[in-house]
Amino acid sequence: GAVVSQHPSWVICKSGTSVKIECRSLDFQATTMFWYRQFPKQSLMLMATSNEGSKATYEQGVEKDKFLINHASLTLSTLTVTSAHPEDSSFYICSARPAGGQSPDTQYFGPGTRLTVL
Amino acid sequence: GENVEQHPSTLSVQEGDSAVIKCTYSDSASNYFPWYKQELGKRPQLIIDIRSNVGEKKDQRIAVTLNKTAKHFSLHITETQPEDSAVYFCAAHSGGYQKVTFGIGTKLQVIP
Repeated sequence: GAVVSQHPSWVICKSGTSVKIECRSLDFQATTMFWYRQFPKQSLMLMATSNEGSKATYEQGVEKDKFLINHASLTLSTLTVTSAHPEDSSFYICSARPAGGQSPDTQYFGPGTRLTVL
Repeated sequence: GENVEQHPSTLSVQEGDSAVIKCTYSDSASNYFPWYKQELGKRPQLIIDIRSNVGEKKDQRIAVTLNKTAKHFSLHITETQPEDSAVYFCAAHSGGYQKVTFGIGTKLQVIP
């Protein structure tokens, strides 16, 4: 149980285009999902926290107009990287926190999406 | 905001020896401390966690200790095996579990 999927697993795009990444909780409902960015050999940096039905909360230094987050349902959150540039190339990982349950603070991570902007 | 420091950044041990990774945190309001294992190119996997009302937790070869007064917590892996080789991250949750801060990670290498 507690499986989180991400799609696509990798994407290559041209500079200036937009890329959408989906994060789904497959067997549980997630009121909260988190989006992280991870550079090679570095830690996970929290980008934003999204709660179903409300606006995402962005971390300091993360441009909300560039990284659009939508959490339209209890099982789906999307991250859209708008007007992508080579410096946006990174590993993007989402995580989902189950609604209720015995461990309400446990996060389950998706497999990540490798974004390469040419 | 919360600041989590983790050390060492790399750790090499002989198979069968123990490995210890330490983290400190700054926000006294933090109350949940998970540890994740991440293999190359894969997702972080929760391996053990501890809450602020507990001082120690053990799960087979893995244990975590928490010292709230000193604001530090540690991961202990005993009888290490080659498959334990990975990057390990500590994390601290605060602000009603919404805010999560990760340590920089420790690359553990278990030498057969």
